[in-house]
Amino acid sequence: TQLLEQSPQFLSIQEGENLTVYCNSSSVFSSLQWYRQEPGEGPVLLVTVVTGGEVKKLKRLTFQFGDARKDSSLHITAAQPGDTGLYLCAGFEVDSSYKLIFGSGTRLLVRP
Amino acid sequence: GAGVSQSPRYKVAKRGQDVALRCDPISGHVSLFWYQQALGQGPEFLTYFQNEAQLDKSGLPSDRFFAERPEGSVSTLKIQRTQQEDSAVYLCASSLMGLNNQPQHFGDGTRLSIL
Repeated sequence: TQLLEQSPQFLSIQEGENLTVYCNSSSVFSSLQWYRQEPGEGPVLLVTVVTGGEVKKLKRLTFQFGDARKDSSLHITAAQPGDTGLYLCAGFEVDSSYKLIFGSGTRLLVRP
Repeated sequence: GAGVSQSPRYKVAKRGQDVALRCDPISGHVSLFWYQQALGQGPEFLTYFQNEAQLDKSGLPSDRFFAERPEGSVSTLKIQRTQQEDSAVYLCASSLMGLNNQPQHFGDGTRLSIL
């Protein structure tokens, strides 16, 4: 059962464009994380959001946690080919301190 | 480096064979996790250790899957009588204490192919 739905599944854009990836659930999460995974490698943590409504920025990446802590978004400004990869959201349900639930991922291709 | 190390990186086995996958966590990390990542999907939780104790094995798909961490450091995931549906990338992660305010550090995985 996939508790976290990500959209879109695939995204192919031109260098310099902006994009937003969405992560939605009917469940409440105590915190939510975004990872980036490159082929043949493990996921690498980008950010953790904890508070409903929280916004975090990491250079050209902006992460937002929904007010009800059921959804999140990742916005990339002026995408670059180096942003290409698989973006995964993952969350801890409120009754678990260790069990990460992952979304199915968004595969991003940024064309030069 | 000082990251999570997994071996082998690739494993090909015939259906019915047993396989063993190894994970060396970051030194000093109390918690260790195994995940299964099918092609085109996000990782799915398999099991969780705190030191040598296996506290949660609810994600193991069947009784053919067995994980151990006998000395609270290195962990082995064993799959008996492998089936084609076991083909996936198996990821190991470790964290300092395993709490949700601490990051999980992932290895690069073992890609298992069952013929």
